Amino acid sequence: AQSVTQLDSQVPVFEEAPVELRCNYSSSVSVYLFWYVQYPNQGLQLLLKYLSGSTLVKGINGFEAEFNKSQTSFHLRKPSVHISDTAEYFCAVLVRDTDKLIFGTGTRLQVFP
Amino acid sequence: DVKVTQSSRYLVKRTGEKVFLECVQDMDHENMFWYRQDPGLGLRLIYFSYDVKMKEKGDIPEGYSVSREKKERFSLILESASTNQTSMYLCASSLGGAGYRELFFGEGSRLTVL
Repeated sequence: AQSVTQLDSQVPVFEEAPVELRCNYSSSVSVYLFWYVQYPNQGLQLLLKYLSGSTLVKGINGFEAEFNKSQTSFHLRKPSVHISDTAEYFCAVLVRDTDKLIFGTGTRLQVFP
Repeated sequence: DVKVTQSSRYLVKRTGEKVFLECVQDMDHENMFWYRQDPGLGLRLIYFSYDVKMKEKGDIPEGYSVSREKKERFSLILESASTNQTSMYLCASSLGGAGYRELFFGEGSRLTVL
């Protein structure tokens, strides 16, 4: 069965510092990979996705993620965070040829001034 | 822009009450989904639907049912609410067809069952 692991439930960081949110998945077949962001009191919105091609994908708000097939990881990075990046971030995997999106448990990013 | 609207942002109900959570999307999407979000558990799929009058069980359907009488509307029903159904409920929609289709989410309905 497929699963998604987000290793950190909370990540505190100071403004303008770099950040990495970790995501590992398990699947024996090809997958699509996603990061969603949920700002306080809002629904989820797509941050970025990996479907195929280049393993480095860029998303909105300066975020990027790298697909590493050998390590089955899809870590999210930003070189310099802002207060407005404070939110919960969800990694998700979709097994190709299925319709089931499986979410990780989320990482709460808190940016301090 | 796609808009997914959930009718109630906050609800408080008593144990045993019947609860309806409504979701409407305005982009003619074929697929609609209901998720439940709990701290430390992420999002878990309750039910989904590929078409009008069609429904499929997700990972945690027990205690829930759904209704899709019109393409744009997908309702989640708690026949007899229990305290362990206190949670945030998220509706989502996407285009149909093969391959990847982006999910668009509503803002959520926070249900408290007393």
